[in-house]
Amino acid sequence: EPEVTQTPSHQVTQMGQEVILHCVPISNHLYFYWYRQILGQKVEFLVSFYNNEISEKSEIFDDQFSVERPDGSNFTLKIRSTKLEDSAMYFCASSEGMRRGADTQYFGPGTRLTVL
Amino acid sequence: DAKTTQPNSMESNEEEPVHLPCNHSTISGTDYIHWYRQLPSQGPEYVIHGLTSNVNNRMASLAIAEDRKSSTLILHRATLRDAAVYYCILSSYNNYGQNFVFGPGTRLSVLP
Repeated sequence: EPEVTQTPSHQVTQMGQEVILHCVPISNHLYFYWYRQILGQKVEFLVSFYNNEISEKSEIFDDQFSVERPDGSNFTLKIRSTKLEDSAMYFCASSEGMRRGADTQYFGPGTRLTVL
Repeated sequence: DAKTTQPNSMESNEEEPVHLPCNHSTISGTDYIHWYRQLPSQGPEYVIHGLTSNVNNRMASLAIAEDRKSSTLILHRATLRDAAVYYCILSSYNNYGQNFVFGPGTRLSVLP
């Protein structure tokens, strides 16, 4: 069964450093998403991406964040200058984008980001 | 986004059915009801979704109230592997891909 993959599984970085989180969505999917989950809290939407541009973003997704689809398979989330409060689990998801309202999102296993 | 309300936690015995409720009194006529679950240390996982009629799949059943203001996820025989946080989420028919708004969900504990 196709699945969303994410690398690395765990990333440790120093405050102020840039990090790039990698995702490979399911190959025929058109919509891509990033969510985050701070330890012990709920899953929060960050951004959705369609047709090589951001389709929606949350208030969390400020100028420190960016997303990119550098080739036909990868989807990345970049945090330019990490802060302690960016420590969280980051989930990538993808969906076909073919069924209005009924689109199933498939989530990856997540990348745990630890900012020291 | 229309809001959903779920109990914080529920407990079940293994091999017994579990009924997980969700209230969505402000649901609009074009909102789909989705259920996802999150096993410990994993990403959210699709369980089932529906619009108006009850739905069954290999994982669970979804019972939707006639007025659509509430729904119930039914696990027919809970196993230890079903221990997870279960999320009830609404999404609008007006959109294709769209962000999901996760609430705190219901933490299901399954006792052996």
